[in-house]
Amino acid sequence: DTEVTQTPKHLVMGMTNKKSLKCEQHMGHRAMYWYKQKAKKPPELMFVYSYEKLSINESVPSRFSPECPNSSLLNLHLHALQPEDSALYLCASSLTWGRNTGELFFGEGSRLTVL
Amino acid sequence: KNEVEQSPQNLTAQEGEFITINCSYSVGISALHWLQQHPGGGIVSLFMLSSGKKKHGRLIATINIQEKHSSLHITASHPRDSAVYICAGVQGAQKLVFGQGTRLTINP
Repeated sequence: DTEVTQTPKHLVMGMTNKKSLKCEQHMGHRAMYWYKQKAKKPPELMFVYSYEKLSINESVPSRFSPECPNSSLLNLHLHALQPEDSALYLCASSLTWGRNTGELFFGEGSRLTVL
Repeated sequence: KNEVEQSPQNLTAQEGEFITINCSYSVGISALHWLQQHPGGGIVSLFMLSSGKKKHGRLIATINIQEKHSSLHITASHPRDSAVYICAGVQGAQKLVFGQGTRLTINP
């Protein structure tokens, strides 16, 4: 199994809603990442988890709350989002985080629309 | 100036042509990823390089550490190769610095 699975694939939410994006991998990877990608732009790193601990938070607003309940799962909780948060949210994983992490595996992404 | 620069930004070619996409990077980048993104979003990792050359099927990636330059080549291009190709440099402890991407269109 060399897949990173993201759900849902599409999400439409209002600015007062609370929703979550989920990411799962069963490759034994100990590093997991959330990226945000706007149309025709490269991905931007949001968070890095290494061994279930938050290692990098790229100054992401608190309305985005990551959670790593175990080594296979990564969630992104969404609350009080703004329309400008509409984007493709990509999850990725790698064997480890740090030098020589090796290949990155990306999910298909969750396309979020905030109304 | 972006730390990872790709060229060209857009490339249109006929099926069968040999394709080259270039990536130049700055000091502090220790390795490069080449990624492919199809319309609809998902990203596929093609190669990770820190030296030399790698080949997978019709895809070849090379890197010149001294010149801080990498290239992705596609031989016998096919319409299914149409995608955005992204070069991403590894900076420090696995922080990726992305290029702006090259939008490749292969016409039948």
